[in-house]
Amino acid sequence: GENVEQHPSTLSVQEGDSAVIKCTYSDSASNYFPWYKQELGKGPQLIIDIRSNVGEKKDQRIAVTLNKTAKHFSLHITETQPEDSAVYFCAASKPGRRALTFGSGTRLQVQP
Amino acid sequence: NAGVTQTPKFQVLKTGQSMTLQCAQDMNHNSMYWYRQDPGMGLRLIYYSASEGTTDKGEVPNGYNVSRLNKREFSLRLESAAPSQTSVYFCASGGVDSNQPQHFGDGTRLSIL
Repeated sequence: GENVEQHPSTLSVQEGDSAVIKCTYSDSASNYFPWYKQELGKGPQLIIDIRSNVGEKKDQRIAVTLNKTAKHFSLHITETQPEDSAVYFCAASKPGRRALTFGSGTRLQVQP
Repeated sequence: NAGVTQTPKFQVLKTGQSMTLQCAQDMNHNSMYWYRQDPGMGLRLIYYSASEGTTDKGEVPNGYNVSRLNKREFSLRLESAAPSQTSVYFCASGGVDSNQPQHFGDGTRLSIL
């Protein structure tokens, strides 16, 4: 089955700096890669997703890049703010598979 | 627009007790899912329902049962709770299959003593 590895497990940055979280996946048939943000006591919230026919996608300060050859994808957050502090999860899926396979999460701490 | 609503938010059980976790969505999605979240392990799929009247096992189904009551509601039942089932349980709903965005509820925090 699919395996998704996520690094780093914790990340601390200064406010205004950039943060990068990386994930690798094992199944070359995977074609859908969402990123979720989870705040304390809340459920995961979808923040951006990318499909395999696209190499990069941006939404304001957030971007995701995908390298299908290397089977890895990354989340980039620019100009970080304290409210970006949360746990971020990557996930992967493929057509016909009913569920997402999640990475183990990255705890991002943005220091004011 | 409530999205995905889970009840209860917190629960403490004794070993051997039974309990049903409730989930309802108002986004008219066909697919619904139950995940558990344990420290350092991300979210793991317990059961899912691709449409009303169908359910299938996920990665960690042992010790659980589910019911897709109608298009809106998908419940998770622990027949005889065990300490290993202490976890945070999340319900999600999505599109036709997992290649559509999934939307999560805020979870049920379950402790089994």
